[in-house]
Amino acid sequence: GIQVEQSPPDLILQEGANSTLRCNFSDSVNNLQWFHQNPWGQLINLFYIPSGTKQNGRLSATTVATERYSLLYISSSQTTDSGVYFCAVDGGGSEKLVFGKGTKLTVNP
Amino acid sequence: DARVTQTPRHKVTEMGQEVTMRCQPILGHNTVFWYRQTMMQGLELLAYFRNRAPLDDSGMPKDRFSAEMPDATLATLKIQPSEPRDSAVYFCASGLGSSRGTQYFGPGTRLLVL
Repeated sequence: GIQVEQSPPDLILQEGANSTLRCNFSDSVNNLQWFHQNPWGQLINLFYIPSGTKQNGRLSATTVATERYSLLYISSSQTTDSGVYFCAVDGGGSEKLVFGKGTKLTVNP
Repeated sequence: DARVTQTPRHKVTEMGQEVTMRCQPILGHNTVFWYRQTMMQGLELLAYFRNRAPLDDSGMPKDRFSAEMPDATLATLKIQPSEPRDSAVYFCASGLGSSRGTQYFGPGTRLLVL
């Protein structure tokens, strides 16, 4: 099945810093989503982005489908950005989302 | 504000007991997914439905787990008998019926089997 790798596994930032999270996947995809799991466990959709670039406030994402990777950019990070960021993709004709192991982000005041 | 709802939010039970988790998908969504999250395995799909029909339940232990959609507004996941290794957070998600759509997740049911 499709493999999803996220890097880095852990990231510690000071408030106000910028960061880039990466997601590599092993096959072509029809669906790629970025999620934020907050400290209370809720999975929050950030982007549906199987290709191209999207922006939402301080967050933006770019997927280069031909090269099988996606990037999530967080600018001017805030303590409320802390949590785990997951990339999830489908692949191989299946609708199942396969999740990466996540990037745990800690933003310190 | 449309959202997926799940009940109960927390459940503590003893090994061998039956556990039923419920999910109400977003109105109008015809695809419902059940995921499980554990520290060891991360997030993994258990089963999913389209228009109430099961499409894939290959991720689900068949001998003790069952998933159904009695109607378009209710999905259930049942474990009988429960075991300590079933302790996890169970998420329901819903979407608009194609692999090109966003899946929206509920708040999860945190299950602890003693």
